[in-house]
Amino acid sequence: AQKITQTQPGMFVQEKEAVTLDCTYDTSDPSYGLFWYKQPSSGEMIFLIYQGSYDQQNATEGRYSLNFQKARKSANLVISASQLGDSAMYFCAMREAPLNSGYSTLTFGKGTMLLVSP
Amino acid sequence: DGGITQSPKYLFRKEGQNVTLSCEQNLNHDAMYWYRQDPGQGLRLIYYSQIVNDFQKGDIAEGYSVSREKKESFPLTVTSAQKNPTAFYLCASSWTSMNTGELFFGEGSRLTVL
Repeated sequence: AQKITQTQPGMFVQEKEAVTLDCTYDTSDPSYGLFWYKQPSSGEMIFLIYQGSYDQQNATEGRYSLNFQKARKSANLVISASQLGDSAMYFCAMREAPLNSGYSTLTFGKGTMLLVSP
Repeated sequence: DGGITQSPKYLFRKEGQNVTLSCEQNLNHDAMYWYRQDPGQGLRLIYYSQIVNDFQKGDIAEGYSVSREKKESFPLTVTSAQKNPTAFYLCASSWTSMNTGELFFGEGSRLTVL
């Protein structure tokens, strides 16, 4: 079973509007971290926002906010006031500790391509 | 500037040849990672290393090898045993392996096997 599911292969939004990119996750570990990354066409991965499983409040970073619904195991990214430069691939990722291990790795979803139109 | 440097950016090789991708970081990070990305796919973990002289297999380690002789360096060798090596390879590092640490990525190496 996939650990991170992004059900929207592509999304369109008009400039200055808000958009929500969906992400659901699957884990039995009570301690985990959720991340969103942006990948422009150049290929580099840009960290956007982080949410810890024990965090009480939703994370926010500028125009980015994470709608964290723990019971539903969802961690949707909300981008407010979209800009043309927001056009990119967006990846949701989860960090959890493997069984019997003292360290963790990041597992990525398949991504959502966002296109912002003028 | 601090960061992660991957080289080469583009690489072409003939089938059956081994190729080594370089990854160097000057962020003083302990943990380093290699991911593979195929078109329309997310990133898949190949190998990771928490400390010098120690590394673990990720989800798709077959046909790859790594070394971690120095904290700053984590080269990846794509061997002839890798059945479908053409892909975009991303190296990353982080302060710790704990759940709160985000990964910092290099700009990637695009390998094409002819």
